[in-house]
Amino acid sequence: DAKTTQPPSMDCAEGRAANLPCNHSTISGNEYVYWYRQIHSQGPQYIIHGLKNNETNEMASLIITEDRKSSTLILPHATLRDTAVYYCIVHGAGSYQLTFGKGTKLSVIP
Amino acid sequence: NAGVTQTPKFQVLKTGQSMTLQCAQDMNHEYMSWYRQDPGMGLRLIHYSVGAGITDQGEVPNGYNVSRSTTEDFPLRLLSAAPSQTSVYFCASSLTGAPGELFFGEGSRLTVL
Repeated sequence: DAKTTQPPSMDCAEGRAANLPCNHSTISGNEYVYWYRQIHSQGPQYIIHGLKNNETNEMASLIITEDRKSSTLILPHATLRDTAVYYCIVHGAGSYQLTFGKGTKLSVIP
Repeated sequence: NAGVTQTPKFQVLKTGQSMTLQCAQDMNHEYMSWYRQDPGMGLRLIHYSVGAGITDQGEVPNGYNVSRSTTEDFPLRLLSAAPSQTSVYFCASSLTGAPGELFFGEGSRLTVL
């Protein structure tokens, strides 16, 4: 699976949109971009994933650039409960080894 | 529907002792896996299974054994615990695993003295 690069930390004001970037410049055609988050000491939680097109669900939106070398996770109206470590993962079809990096620690500030 | 259940939540062992961390899921998922997480680190894959009777090694398998006799259960065994195995352990499952949305348990915090 391709490697990812994320900023180690970010702050976001409560109620504003949180935009979390991820670089995956070596991604290949059959690899998906997955996002998970881990709220303090809990098990990671799936957020969203995509291949080429932008995706949206009840939690977030995922914007993937046309060349697929980077993506952005958007939390439209961040709340204090969104404070967590967010992991961007590239996962290929047929690969059973999901690799978690260190992620981005998002702090939502009142 | 309980999801992924891990037991125990906390355990303290002495060096050389053995123990089993239990993981059970009730979602009929084929794929199950064990991760460990150390302070300031991301999760690292220990072992995984793509179905009953099938297991394989992940990134950090040394010191751990697994088996998958049923779809529901995927225990992780530490045969002779070492202080380097002090960590938080997470079990996860998904329908297929390649790729797939992973469902994680709440974790088992292990301390080896």
